[in-house]
Amino acid sequence: GEDVEQSLFLSVREGDSSVINCTYTDSSSTYLYWYKQEPGAGLQLLTYIFSNMDMKQDQRLTVLLNKKDKHLSLRIADTQTGDSAIYFCAETPGGGNMLTFGGGTRLMVKP
Amino acid sequence: DGGITQSPKYLFRKEGQNVTLSCEQNLNHDAMYWYRQDPGQGLRLIYYSQIVNDFQKGDIAEGYSVSREKKESFPLTVTSAQKNPTAFYLCASRDNYNEQFFGPGTRLTVL
Repeated sequence: GEDVEQSLFLSVREGDSSVINCTYTDSSSTYLYWYKQEPGAGLQLLTYIFSNMDMKQDQRLTVLLNKKDKHLSLRIADTQTGDSAIYFCAETPGGGNMLTFGGGTRLMVKP
Repeated sequence: DGGITQSPKYLFRKEGQNVTLSCEQNLNHDAMYWYRQDPGQGLRLIYYSQIVNDFQKGDIAEGYSVSREKKESFPLTVTSAQKNPTAFYLCASRDNYNEQFFGPGTRLTVL
């Protein structure tokens, strides 16, 4: 079955880099996504990567994809207190347009 | 402003009552989704609709019902058959590039 795994919690100091990891199960996923959820709010798409790419960079965000190990990571450079939130990865099982979400990683940024 | 709205933000229900959560979008998207989020967990799909007058059950549809009479609207009814309805409910719509846009959510509490 489909199962997307993430660690529950990450704590970093302001200015450091954060790396949030995710493992997924469906090798036919065409897109993999990272969403951000601030307290009491909906999800906001941060970035996504197409399955034939290894890396995607977008300002402070770097997504790395290891298809062999089905491992996805999100690196946030120069982490700020405003980056404190829950981060969800999501896959598109079967290459379709449904999303399967991981359980979310709560990022806490200490000043 | 284009976007997706949900109301109310907070909802309280007595046991045995049905309640309806509103979701409206003016993004002209065909596909819409309802998710449930429990603390420390990812999003689980309740129902989805690919087009007006059509909808499909997701992974946890029992105790819920939906309608899709208009493209803009996808209301969710939480029925008395749902034994543990206290949760955060998120509605989303999807564009032609497979990006899902989320509403701000409704927090439902059973008294």
